[in-house]
Amino acid sequence: GEDVEQSLFLSVREGDSSVINCTYTDSSSTYLYWYKQEPGAGLQLLTYIFSNMDMKQDQRLTVLLNKKDKHLSLRIADTQTGDSAIYFCAERKNSGNTPLVFGKGTRLSVIA
Amino acid sequence: DSGVTQTPKHLITATGQRVTLRCSPRSGDLSVYWYQQSLDQGLQFLIQYYNGEERAKGNILERFSAQQFPDLHSELNLSSLELGDSALYFCASSEGLAGGKWFFGPGTRLTVL
Repeated sequence: GEDVEQSLFLSVREGDSSVINCTYTDSSSTYLYWYKQEPGAGLQLLTYIFSNMDMKQDQRLTVLLNKKDKHLSLRIADTQTGDSAIYFCAERKNSGNTPLVFGKGTRLSVIA
Repeated sequence: DSGVTQTPKHLITATGQRVTLRCSPRSGDLSVYWYQQSLDQGLQFLIQYYNGEERAKGNILERFSAQQFPDLHSELNLSSLELGDSALYFCASSEGLAGGKWFFGPGTRLTVL
């Protein structure tokens, strides 16, 4: 497809793990990103992964990259109510000087 | 705090008017990017500047223009405003051209009445 795709909504219980999925468009993309946007706020860089990596872990966050399927996922362990936000996946294509291309975002709701 | 600052935080204006949005990148970052976020279109790339020069252009309307000054701050000028220009406008900065960490500012919410 032409777009970076994400499911629009995800609801989890506090303390469970959340997995947010994304499919991107370009198998030659060099960097893949996850951003978090809370209501009324800007985009907070959570983590990014270079395309020669399969996995990256940073505290409660785990990013998995499947280049064959062009699939990226973000796992949040022990999800808290403060994790409720919109999560954006973005890719940077490996063709010259290109900007980040974003998905539409996944709204994560954490139920106490 | 990302280190990227944007002013003003909110802007309310009327159709046909002209506004200027300002962005200061993180210290040491040479690239500045402007994005528009609307409910129907999501995050759309508008334009990029690197060390004072325009480097990439996205879906930027002819009524919109931008520049980056010698001190590396950037301004986005929106003219002949229409109702559909109401959106959040984000600025981001990065150290170079080749990817790596991109940091976004808090955004300017523009409302055109």
